[in-house]
Amino acid sequence: QQPVQSPQAVILREGEDAVINCSSSKALYSVHWYRQKHGEAPVFLMILLKGGEQKGHEKISASFNEKKQQSSLYLTASQLSYSGTYFCGTSFTGNQFYFGTGTSLTVIP
Amino acid sequence: ETGVTQTPRHLVMGMTNKKSLKCEQHLGHNAMYWYKQSAKKPLELMFVYNFKEQTENNSVPSRFSPECPNSSHLFLHLHTLQPEDSALYLCASSQWTRIHNEQFFGPGTRLTVL
Repeated sequence: QQPVQSPQAVILREGEDAVINCSSSKALYSVHWYRQKHGEAPVFLMILLKGGEQKGHEKISASFNEKKQQSSLYLTASQLSYSGTYFCGTSFTGNQFYFGTGTSLTVIP
Repeated sequence: ETGVTQTPRHLVMGMTNKKSLKCEQHLGHNAMYWYKQSAKKPLELMFVYNFKEQTENNSVPSRFSPECPNSSHLFLHLHTLQPEDSALYLCASSQWTRIHNEQFFGPGTRLTVL
């Protein structure tokens, strides 16, 4: 039931774009995205709900394909501060909540 | 204090010790969570409390015992732990509205079991 993320790791130069994917084997109710920098706690980026509602930061964009049970996080014009590990979190019915396997993103000058 | 705080930040204990981790949220939320984060593993949800009631227990061994005396405080009581329990333990809170909303995380407690 744990979602699978791809890619596992990516290295970008400043200004480049990246897409991180999150796939579930079960029908999703909502998808969260978080970023965790080394030695720090995860920080919320965005939540996408079944039905199309989204809540999050203006500079972050993501999509939620309910039929394919997938979500993608789009990082455009990457900055050094974008480096970290990105996790998707998925919820189904009830209180179950699962974080994905994580994607390590490194932005270099 | 603001946000979510956790104490202690670091803890080293033997397998026969009993210790407790404390979490406090100052955000007025009504749901609190315990997560375990091991090296090279995803975050694992251990316990969820909504309105002080435990609503989820993901097959966590009984050597971990949660306690939520009110909506602002959450404890994780530890006893007879194993070395494989060494990990970062994260607490989070959110405003539960029939869904898991944005979770705010504390800095975590780095636990080492000898």
